[in-house]
Amino acid sequence: GAVVSQHPSWVICKSGTSVKIECRSLDFQATTMFWYRQFPKQSLMLMATSNEGSKATYEQGVEKDKFLINHASLTLSTLTVTSAHPEDSSFYICSATRGREGIGQYFGPGTRLTVT
Amino acid sequence: GENVEQHPSTLSVQEGDSAVIKCTYSDSASNYFPWYKQELGKGPQLIIDIRSNVGEKKDQRIAVTLNKTAKHFSLHITETQPEDSAVYFCAASIGNTPLVFGKGTRLSVIA
Repeated sequence: GAVVSQHPSWVICKSGTSVKIECRSLDFQATTMFWYRQFPKQSLMLMATSNEGSKATYEQGVEKDKFLINHASLTLSTLTVTSAHPEDSSFYICSATRGREGIGQYFGPGTRLTVT
Repeated sequence: GENVEQHPSTLSVQEGDSAVIKCTYSDSASNYFPWYKQELGKGPQLIIDIRSNVGEKKDQRIAVTLNKTAKHFSLHITETQPEDSAVYFCAASIGNTPLVFGKGTRLSVIA
């Protein structure tokens, strides 16, 4: 159990366009979902924490108007990168917690975004 | 806030040998310590975790030890195999707060 999927697995878009990435918990209801970005050979950087039905909490330095997060249900969260620029190119990974305690994060396979 | 230091940044071992990766944390209130394995181009995979009320946990070739007094925890992989080659991340959190990750260790197992 505890499978998290992401779609798409990779995407190439032109500068100025928007891209939506979906994160789903397939076999459990996620109490909380997290969005990370990861640059090559670096650790994961938390972007925001998302709870179903409420606004996401963004980390310092992350533009909430650029990285729109919607957590519509207990199994789906979406990240939309608006007006993407080449510097937004990165590996975006979501994770989800389950259970009452919400301890233990299960990660999706990641989405490779390339902005040309 | 919490700060997690991870060492070494790279580690090469011969197949069959053991590998040890160490992490220290700063916030004594942290009580959950997972380890993740990340292969190239993939998301991190939870391989083992430990909570602060336990000093050691083992799962086949993988074990984690926790020293709360010293605020450090370690990952031990025995009888390493080439498929163990990956980047390993430690992390720490207080309850269900967001994980704070170490910078990762690139493990290479040489056949």
